[in-house]
Amino acid sequence: EPEVTQTPSHQVTQMGQEVILRCVPISNHLYFYWYRQILGQKVEFLVSFYNNEISEKSEIFDDQFSVERPDGSNFTLKIRSTKLEDSAMYFCASSELEQTGYTFGSGTRLTVV
Amino acid sequence: GQQLNQSPQSMFIQEGEDVSMNCTSSSIFNTWLWYKQDPGEGPVLLIALYKAGELTSNGRLTAQFGTTRKDSFLNISASIPSDVGIYFCAGLNTGTASKLTFGTGTRLQVTL
Repeated sequence: EPEVTQTPSHQVTQMGQEVILRCVPISNHLYFYWYRQILGQKVEFLVSFYNNEISEKSEIFDDQFSVERPDGSNFTLKIRSTKLEDSAMYFCASSELEQTGYTFGSGTRLTVV
Repeated sequence: GQQLNQSPQSMFIQEGEDVSMNCTSSSIFNTWLWYKQDPGEGPVLLIALYKAGELTSNGRLTAQFGTTRKDSFLNISASIPSDVGIYFCAGLNTGTASKLTFGTGTRLQVTL
């Protein structure tokens, strides 16, 4: 079954450093998303991406965050200057259409120290 | 913003028992989804509901899209140990690259 693949599975970084989280969405999917989940809490929407541009972003997705689809297969989330409160699981998701086939990756656990 | 509250927050049940959980929203959704999350993993889709009043089954799981479009229910029959995990409802409204709004989660523990 097609999967959304995320790397790395776990990243530890020092406060103030830049991190890039990588995702390979399902190949025929057109819509891409990033979500995050702080330990013990619910999953929260960060940003959606369609047709090579951001469609919607939440208030969490401030100027420190950016997304990119550098080639035909990868979708990345960059955090420019990490803060302690950025520690969370970050999930990439993709969907074929707006409402169907919404599939999540296994996540990247980001720990900011 | 939109809020989805799930109840109960957690449940401890015996293997073989049936489980019911629900999700209520402060606003309307066009689509309801139920996900299960195992520790350290991403949410896995269990059931998707696209129409108010719709009742859909997937094996031992049955979910309903409430007629008001502000709630949804998930039932698990004859629970087994691998049902352990956190169950999240999520609401979705049509729009370009629609975002999911997740519920607060129901943690299910199954004892033998």
